[in-house]
Amino acid sequence: NAGVTQTPKFRILKIGQSMTLQCTQDMNHNYMYWYRQDPGMGLKLIYYSVGAGITDKGEVPNGYNVSRSTTEDFPLRLELAAPSQTSVYFCASTTTRTGASTDTQYFGPGTRLTVL
Amino acid sequence: AQTVTQSQPEMSVQEAETVTLSCTYDTSENNYYLFWYKQPPSRQMILVIRQEAYKQQNATENRFSVNFQKAAKSFSLKISDSQLGDTAMYFCAFMKHLGSNYKLTFGKGTLLTVNP
Repeated sequence: NAGVTQTPKFRILKIGQSMTLQCTQDMNHNYMYWYRQDPGMGLKLIYYSVGAGITDKGEVPNGYNVSRSTTEDFPLRLELAAPSQTSVYFCASTTTRTGASTDTQYFGPGTRLTVL
Repeated sequence: AQTVTQSQPEMSVQEAETVTLSCTYDTSENNYYLFWYKQPPSRQMILVIRQEAYKQQNATENRFSVNFQKAAKSFSLKISDSQLGDTAMYFCAFMKHLGSNYKLTFGKGTLLTVNP
């Protein structure tokens, strides 16, 4: 299993541009999450999904959108990039399957985004 | 809402010595999980150790152990026989047991440097 993969690793955007951060997991996990990590800060939850077709806001959702059309993929969309969205973005997943450890989240390697 | 506080922004330790990282949290929940994550320069989030609040016994994983004081809402991480590879950012995190959709709340982190 590759686990949780994220693309791209790095990206520089101009103010007002849009982009999609990709996240894919091959562990058949039903729960997926997007976090952002600002310099000197812990991770903050942007959006999460409890299954295909179901998404919900986290702590800092403004300026972002998500979709979950399949179990594997959970893309994060920035429509009008702003300097305040300069951050490192992490995708994570977990599962509620019987016998699995539901409290353990598996993280992707992160995407470093700079908005100039 | 839960909060997690890590009062030590930076710490350093000599190789082979022992270091303790502090974490306190605030919650009205009785059942929950606590975690320590390690983030090395590669930025990958790596689970170090986890503790279920209903367990009185402190969790241990090789050189890593915790001191969980539920009444004091304290969850410190002890690293024994520190190694150069332990140099990383360490995050304390909280998860409600039920009704949270397994969302994590993170502290701001402690940067640990292990010196040769």
